Amino acid sequence: DGGITQSPKYLFRKEGQNVTLSCEQNLNHDAMYWYRQDPGQGLRLIYYSQIVNDFQKGDIAEGYSVSREKKESFPLTVTSAQKNPTAFYLCASTPTGGNTEAFFGQGTRLTVV
Amino acid sequence: DAKTTQPPSMDCAEGRAANLPCNHSTISGNEYVYWYRQIHSQGPQYIIHGLKNNETNEMASLIITEDRKSSTLILPHATLRDTAVYYCIVRIPTFSGGGADGLTFGKGTHLIIQP
Repeated sequence: DGGITQSPKYLFRKEGQNVTLSCEQNLNHDAMYWYRQDPGQGLRLIYYSQIVNDFQKGDIAEGYSVSREKKESFPLTVTSAQKNPTAFYLCASTPTGGNTEAFFGQGTRLTVV
Repeated sequence: DAKTTQPPSMDCAEGRAANLPCNHSTISGNEYVYWYRQIHSQGPQYIIHGLKNNETNEMASLIITEDRKSSTLILPHATLRDTAVYYCIVRIPTFSGGGADGLTFGKGTHLIIQP
């Protein structure tokens, strides 16, 4: 089945460590997105990528980094520079042609201990 | 910043129609209105979208005002499983040359279906 997969579902990290969240899609979508969600809050855009080897900062990119070496993959690294990394992280993808919806993964809950 | 405004929460009795409003007064001519919902700790799920005509699918109906500055999502017979946060967004479908937009979400409306 086509879809978008995030792993792991739950992730624990020690303060000061970098951690990478995985996002893979087999929908042949060109565009991919990373969001952060805090309790009771909406989705805030971290980074997005329109095509391979290209990405743009969203509203809250500080303390995060991404890469887009393959169309199918858009990993997000939460660096030690992110002051408050504990949150629910969501990945999404859309095609870049035509009027269709965005598809979301099931999210990764990151907890800093 | 989100381009839409929604009430933070709403209640609806089970079996009744739930009508969720959204204001998008700065919508441009080529932007579509999309609705998603998010059940707690899951990824958002697409519901419906439209440009200027009313739309209906198996999940919901979308009513867009003639001036396109607001819309209403209608869940015709709400069930307890419809309790979720509902997001209204506007975006330009990415046709030639434009690339993907930022796909911005606001805080949405927390719809609570009461038994």
